[in-house]
Amino acid sequence: DQQVKQNSPSLSVQEGRISILNCDYTNSMFDYFLWYKKYPAEGPTFLISISSIKDKNEDGRFTVFLNKSAKHLSLHIVPSQPGDSAVYFCAAKAGNAGNMLTFGGGTRLMVKP
Amino acid sequence: EPEVTQTPSHQVTQMGQEVILRCVPISNHLYFYWYRQILGQKVEFLVSFYNNEISEKSEIFDDQFSVERPDGSNFTLKIRSTKLEDSAMYFCASSEPGWPEAFFGQGTRLTVV
Repeated sequence: DQQVKQNSPSLSVQEGRISILNCDYTNSMFDYFLWYKKYPAEGPTFLISISSIKDKNEDGRFTVFLNKSAKHLSLHIVPSQPGDSAVYFCAAKAGNAGNMLTFGGGTRLMVKP
Repeated sequence: EPEVTQTPSHQVTQMGQEVILRCVPISNHLYFYWYRQILGQKVEFLVSFYNNEISEKSEIFDDQFSVERPDGSNFTLKIRSTKLEDSAMYFCASSEPGWPEAFFGQGTRLTVV
């Protein structure tokens, strides 16, 4: 089951630069998308979300873009900080499936000082 | 800041034994979830619980699994007869009515030997 895919297992970025994490999905019934950040030995921490009726949502250094026609979303972190180094998960919720979240495989972000 | 708490942080059990994983969701949340992550794999949905009953469950959540809200604060996941393949991180999560954003606990690492 690959309904949500994060094709880059890892990403390395210099401190202060932009980090762009990508996510693709196949299920047309997904109507809400979320990004989570996860440190080792901790649970996923909610970062930012976007409804399918929007194409952009911004919260401080974090912006999520949604391209419904391409079934693609991305998370932009500007400027990147060393403390942003973590695994980032994209997740999606289908309108006909309650609050169940389907997760991507994650992208490990490393921000170098 | 309110958080979801899980106990124990690590549980080692013999194959065939029963285990109970415990969670205290955020107090004003009404939706409760269990997810798991097998090492190196995606975070997978197991079950959601609302109004004292299961609202959704995945194929993973077979007859070996059960959930309960024994009192006003705890939410438990029971695995009746553990198998080696049940070894994983188990995450409890909760969310407010009308909001898909689930907030996760720090996880319980279950090791079946």
